[in-house]
Amino acid sequence: DIQMTQSPSSVSASVGDRITITCRASQSVSRWLAWYQQKPGKAPKLLIYAGSSLQSGVPSRFSGSGSGTDFALTISSLQPEDFATYYCQPGESFLSLSFGGGTKVEI
Amino acid sequence: EVQLVESGGDLVQPGGSLRLSCAASGFTFSSYWMTWVRQAPGKGLEWVASIKQDESEKYYVASVKGRFTISRDNAKNSLYLQMASLTAEDTAVYFCARETYASGIEFDYWGQGTLVTVSS
Repeated sequence: DIQMTQSPSSVSASVGDRITITCRASQSVSRWLAWYQQKPGKAPKLLIYAGSSLQSGVPSRFSGSGSGTDFALTISSLQPEDFATYYCQPGESFLSLSFGGGTKVEI
Repeated sequence: EVQLVESGGDLVQPGGSLRLSCAASGFTFSSYWMTWVRQAPGKGLEWVASIKQDESEKYYVASVKGRFTISRDNAKNSLYLQMASLTAEDTAVYFCARETYASGIEFDYWGQGTLVTVSS
């Protein structure tokens, strides 16, 4: 199984801040990594796929980078609606599917 | 509009069984891999199981192998999860999700979830 380590587990930030969340895989997943946003009581929402591709309809302030074992999600200027929990997910194989532990972005 | 609507969640006793359903609409259901993901109260996301379009491939997380069975009925645009030998550790909101069919494995549409509570 591929283990995904997200950091930090939580971050306090303000509107307008730039924040970066990292995700490290226990083995290479090439560029196959997705990022999701989840708000309380709601289903996750796909933000980024294939490491850096922006899902349709997602604001451009979200960006993804990385390959191999190290990836990052950056929000360039936090907006009030961005306060949520973010998860990474390796997408190389159904044999190694998992989610990172999550990063809660809060005020 | 793509919609996924789960149902079947309930309070069940330890050792019991339950069948979850996910009704799909707004897309060609038979063309997509489908997946179940769960989330225990206050915890993170956990992938549970995935199924290929024609049911020829099915994958499960280790903790549910031999207890859960994923299936689908393409004629009814429906996904199912048959759960048996349930324990308290299976208590969670269960989401069904569509695999994007784009590049790697990622999930672009999700249902709202259905709550399964395992307790005596």
